Amino acid sequence: GNSVTQMEGPVTLSEEAFLTINCTYTATGYPSLFWYVQYPGEGLQLLLKATKADDKGSNKGFEATYRKETTSFHLEKGSVQVSDSAVYFCALIHSSASKIIFGSGTRLSIRP
Amino acid sequence: NAGVTQTPKFQVLKTGQSMTLQCAQDMNHNSMYWYRQDPGMGLRLIYYSASEGTTDKGEVPNGYNVSRLNKREFSLRLESAAPSQTSVYFCASSDDQAGSPLHFGNGTRLTVT
Repeated sequence: GNSVTQMEGPVTLSEEAFLTINCTYTATGYPSLFWYVQYPGEGLQLLLKATKADDKGSNKGFEATYRKETTSFHLEKGSVQVSDSAVYFCALIHSSASKIIFGSGTRLSIRP
Repeated sequence: NAGVTQTPKFQVLKTGQSMTLQCAQDMNHNSMYWYRQDPGMGLRLIYYSASEGTTDKGEVPNGYNVSRLNKREFSLRLESAAPSQTSVYFCASSDDQAGSPLHFGNGTRLTVT
């Protein structure tokens, strides 16, 4: 069946460091892929998405590229800020399914 | 533009009590969902509704019931609360286009003592 695996946290970085959060998926065909962010005390918000192979989603300085050959959708940011501290969820939805599949989440903490 | 609105934000129940969590969306979405979020377990789907008048079980439906009252509203009921239902509950909605993302409410933090 469809599944999403993302790196376990917590991840702690210093401000202005480079960020990578790994995400790999298992699915037949061509699912759509998402990164969601959850700030403390809030619900999940869509951060970026990609709907087909080689698409790059980007938002707020974050990027992720849909890699069919490695079944990956790693989240990257060149220079993180304290305000990026949150929990990040990788997710997929298959066009033939009605339910989104979430990874377990990665908690990111940024030190000033 | 409210998006997805959940009430209440916080609730404390005693074991055996009942309550209903309310959710409403103003985006004219057909699909609505209830998730629970527990530490170290990510999000787990409780129930979902693909359209008004239909509901289906998710991963963890036991101990819960749902009602899709109309297109806007999707409520979650705990008939006899148990400590294992202490969690943060999120409602979400989405439209029907392939690959559409979910839009989430801000959650209800429920504690059962």
